[in-house]
Amino acid sequence: DTAVSQTPKYLVTQMGNDKSIKCEQNLGHDTMYWYKQDSKKFLKIMFSYNNKELIINETVPNRFSPKSPDKAHLNLHINSLELGDSAVYFCASSQDVVGVEGYTFGSGTRLTVV
Amino acid sequence: AQSVTQPDIHITVSEGASLELRCNYSYGATPYLFWYVQSPGQGLQLLLKYFSGDTLVQGIKGFEAEFKRSQSSFNLRKPSVHWSDAAEYFCAVGLSGTYKYIFGTGTRLKVLA
Repeated sequence: DTAVSQTPKYLVTQMGNDKSIKCEQNLGHDTMYWYKQDSKKFLKIMFSYNNKELIINETVPNRFSPKSPDKAHLNLHINSLELGDSAVYFCASSQDVVGVEGYTFGSGTRLTVV
Repeated sequence: AQSVTQPDIHITVSEGASLELRCNYSYGATPYLFWYVQSPGQGLQLLLKYFSGDTLVQGIKGFEAEFKRSQSSFNLRKPSVHWSDAAEYFCAVGLSGTYKYIFGTGTRLKVLA
């Protein structure tokens, strides 16, 4: 069983489209995250949710909207996609909001905007 | 401002040789410290972590890391590298009270047969 699963794995879309990425964890963790990894492999936190409550909302364009219907799911919807949104997006989870035990990452969604 | 530095962008070692990957952080208090490994096309996998206690921590896949408060460092080591260790390695710092991690920029390890 995959602990943190993301779909889709690859996403190729045109500028201006709207797309969603889904994430699910079966670890019973309370906290989930979205990270963006750019072409230089730099990882940046976008959002985190603890038990469906938004905890971290970094400086992200409001075209990005996370949704957590329950603590096992965290989805990311992106409106009006731009070329600069091309990146790998990782979902992760941790036991609690402090994250002292570390994160479990999904395998990533490679988004390409053309 | 808090930061994490991995000074080596690329490192190449021969299979069987020892390895040390460097990580330095800038933070007022003792942070939570982590090393992750990312194989091509994969997500990050936790290798080991430190937040208190013995400053030498053991992780998976034969890796260990040592926290040195005086040097603000948390270097990753392995006595004998295997070809399957070729990957990208990330140091991360958890900032207590902020619920945030900062990741280093990564070190790409290449292993020569």
